[in-house]
Amino acid sequence: GDSVTQMEGPVTLSEEAFLTINCTYTATGYPSLFWYVQYPGEGLQLLLKATKADDKGSNKGFEATYRKETTSFHLEKGSVQVSDSAVYFCALSDYGNKLVFGAGTILRVKS
Amino acid sequence: NAGVTQTPKFQVLKTGQSMTLQCAQDMNHEYMSWYRQDPGMGLRLIHYSVGAGITDQGEVPNGYNVSRSTTEDFPLRLLSAAPSQTSVYFCASRTINDGYTFGSGTRLTVV
Repeated sequence: GDSVTQMEGPVTLSEEAFLTINCTYTATGYPSLFWYVQYPGEGLQLLLKATKADDKGSNKGFEATYRKETTSFHLEKGSVQVSDSAVYFCALSDYGNKLVFGAGTILRVKS
Repeated sequence: NAGVTQTPKFQVLKTGQSMTLQCAQDMNHEYMSWYRQDPGMGLRLIHYSVGAGITDQGEVPNGYNVSRSTTEDFPLRLLSAAPSQTSVYFCASRTINDGYTFGSGTRLTVV
């Protein structure tokens, strides 16, 4: 079945450092790919998405490119802030109504 | 616009008790889902619905029932609570072209 694998955390960075969170997927079809963010005590919020190969999703300085050849959707940000501290989930949707999530990566940013 | 509303936010049950987690959305979304979130496991799909009167099982449906009598509401029922059902539960809804909108969650403890 479909699956998503994320790099294990926690990831601890200093403010203004470069962020990469790796995400790879396995799917039988051509899934849409998503990054969700969960701040402490809250639900998940959609951060960005990409629906086809070579699409780049971006939002709030975060970017991820849909790489079909490497089945990857790595999340990047050039300069993280303390307010970016959260749990980040990579997810795919293969048939439109079901999301398959990775285990989540905790990001801690120190000032 | 309230989005997805879940009640209650916190609940403690004794083993064997039953209860219903409520979920309501005001965005006229056709698709709705219930997920549970456990440490290190991401979110796992319990049940989902593609429209009023239509429900189906997800990855971990055992011990849970759902119904969808209206577009707005998608309650999740625990028939006989077990300690293994201690988790954080999220309801989510979406339209066909967008990512899911999540509720703020219900933290359930079964003792």
